[in-house]
Amino acid sequence: NAGVMQNPRHLVRRRGQEARLRCSPVKGHSHVYWYRQLPEEGLKFMVYLQKENIIDESGMPKERFSAEFPKEGPSILRIQQVVRGDSAAYFCASSPSEGTAYTFGSGTRLTVV
Amino acid sequence: SQELEQSPQSLIVQEGKNLTINCTSSKTLYGLYWYKQKYGEGLIFLMMLQKGGEEKSHEKITAKLDEKKQQSSLHITASQPSHAGIYLCGADPNTNAGKSTFGDGTTLTVKP
Repeated sequence: NAGVMQNPRHLVRRRGQEARLRCSPVKGHSHVYWYRQLPEEGLKFMVYLQKENIIDESGMPKERFSAEFPKEGPSILRIQQVVRGDSAAYFCASSPSEGTAYTFGSGTRLTVV
Repeated sequence: SQELEQSPQSLIVQEGKNLTINCTSSKTLYGLYWYKQKYGEGLIFLMMLQKGGEEKSHEKITAKLDEKKQQSSLHITASQPSHAGIYLCGADPNTNAGKSTFGDGTTLTVKP
């Protein structure tokens, strides 16, 4: 099954540590999106990337959060110095082009203790 | 930014009953998507609508987009426990798309 692969599925970090979330898009998809879902809330857009480029990061907090989608390898969402409020499910999606439906990964559930 | 409002927030129906979920936008929708999310899992794509008045069906689920392209409905006929989950609508902000924004979801429970 060549869907969107996210790992890890669950991640526990202590306050102040770094969290690295990985996303391998569907083969052939060059557009990657990251969303955050807080408990009992909808999906909130974070960042949209194409290979080696950040297209839209309007949903990313200004500090501690960064994302990349290198030429080779998965997309990485990095959260530095995590705080309890970062606890959420982080979903990655990919699409072959704009204006097409997304394929979502199963998400990474980050818990900050 | 595109605001999407879904109603109702949650819905409990008896198995076999029909139901409708609505998604309303503050702006004209250029691409409207329906997804389903099972608890603890990712989203599964259901249908995409782009043209005013468009209607699509898959098994017992029908999605419609109104002529003004500001409202969409998702209708489930003869609901089954397998239909339970969270239904989310998503939309492209303009013809050039970019990222999709999503409604807050409708949680559907189907009682056997």
